[in-house]
Amino acid sequence: SQTIHQWPATLVQPVGSPLSLECTVEGTSNPNLYWYRQAAGRGLQLLFYSVGIGQISSEVPQNLSASRPQDRQFILSSKKLLLSDSGFYLCAWSGGGSDTEAFFGQGTRLTVV
Amino acid sequence: GQQVMQIPQYQHVQEGEDFTTYCNSSTTLSNIQWYKQRPGGHPVFLIQLVKSGEVKKQKRLTFQFGEAKKNSSLHITATQTTDVGTYFCAGVRGNNRLAFGKGNQVVVIP
Repeated sequence: SQTIHQWPATLVQPVGSPLSLECTVEGTSNPNLYWYRQAAGRGLQLLFYSVGIGQISSEVPQNLSASRPQDRQFILSSKKLLLSDSGFYLCAWSGGGSDTEAFFGQGTRLTVV
Repeated sequence: GQQVMQIPQYQHVQEGEDFTTYCNSSTTLSNIQWYKQRPGGHPVFLIQLVKSGEVKKQKRLTFQFGEAKKNSSLHITATQTTDVGTYFCAGVRGNNRLAFGKGNQVVVIP
């Protein structure tokens, strides 16, 4: 069966520090991968989307970047965090074709102080 | 681009009562999905609707896709405390990207 791992679960980082969140998927190949951010009490904002290795689509301009060095690995990064980067970050994967349901990781709660 | 709007954004529901949450799109959707996120948790897939006018039921939950495939609804009967959470709809965009609505946060009053 497919599983998705996302870590760390919580993170407190000072302003100006770098960020690296990692997400890996098991049990499937060539998944579509997503990074979402959810502000407190808000909806899901799509940050990045990837259909394959090295293929990254950015949905909104921001202080973050994403990379997909391997088929089932998706990394969210920042060189210098801002206070506004605080939030709940969720990685998700979906298959191709008509099976587009998304499976989410447990999420990372990031607090920038 | 395609936007998916959800109304209402917040609901307080008395335990035992029914409620409905709505999802509207500015463009025709190929399909629509519903997710539930419990407080402190991550979104979990509930169902996908594909056909115009489709109605699907999961116990006390009834999902409907509009005839024009631009709107959808989720109706829950006899609300229980376990129904607390945020319900999201999501429309499929190009390249199978999911565009989520802002969600309907439901609080159940015992």
